Amino acid sequence: NAGVTQTPKFQVLKTGQSMTLQCAQDMNHEYMSWYRQDPGMGLRLIHYSVGAGITDQGEVPNGYNVSRSTTEDFPLRLLSAAPSQTSVYFCASSLDWSSLEFGTEAFFGQGTRLTVV
Amino acid sequence: TQLLEQSPQFLSIQEGENLTVYCNSSSVFSSLQWYRQEPGEGPVLLVTVVTGGEVKKLKRLTFQFGDARKDSSLHITAAQPGDTGLYLCAGARLAGYALNFGKGTSLLVTP
Repeated sequence: NAGVTQTPKFQVLKTGQSMTLQCAQDMNHEYMSWYRQDPGMGLRLIHYSVGAGITDQGEVPNGYNVSRSTTEDFPLRLLSAAPSQTSVYFCASSLDWSSLEFGTEAFFGQGTRLTVV
Repeated sequence: TQLLEQSPQFLSIQEGENLTVYCNSSSVFSSLQWYRQEPGEGPVLLVTVVTGGEVKKLKRLTFQFGDARKDSSLHITAAQPGDTGLYLCAGARLAGYALNFGKGTSLLVTP
């Protein structure tokens, strides 16, 4: 059982380049989310999805796009990378929002460390 | 504006000492979770509290949810070097659709 798998683990981009961070889960979870983690800032929510075909913005969505065509996959796209997007990105999944609301576990991937130069 | 304020941000103690980490908010949460994160890894759930006033124990770790469900604390008794890591509190609000995280407490326990 792989859980939440993120690829790549490390990436260096030049300013203006685009790329997609991949996230896949094999637990049949409905709720998936993307966070970025910066020193001293904790985890900040970028986008989330409560099910296939449904996505919404989190706290820091600018410069990022998401889609959810299947239950398993939730890719995060950087449209035109900027140095301010240098961060560690985490994908997380939970059974569904209702259960997460009342405390079921959010499972995290190992993260993607992105550097934009 | 940070929904969950965590303190202290950094804590460096010696093995055997006790410590408490606080997670405070002006908002009411339906549940509050504590995660631990090791370098290069994603956060891993330690405990969830859902009832106001609830106390949960996990070996030497004691977690408490405030009566009004706005705050929580994590107390570690006789800390060990293996407790070193980043401790994150996270809260979910009814119909909020987001798990809100505090900024984290980086704990270093030296032998």
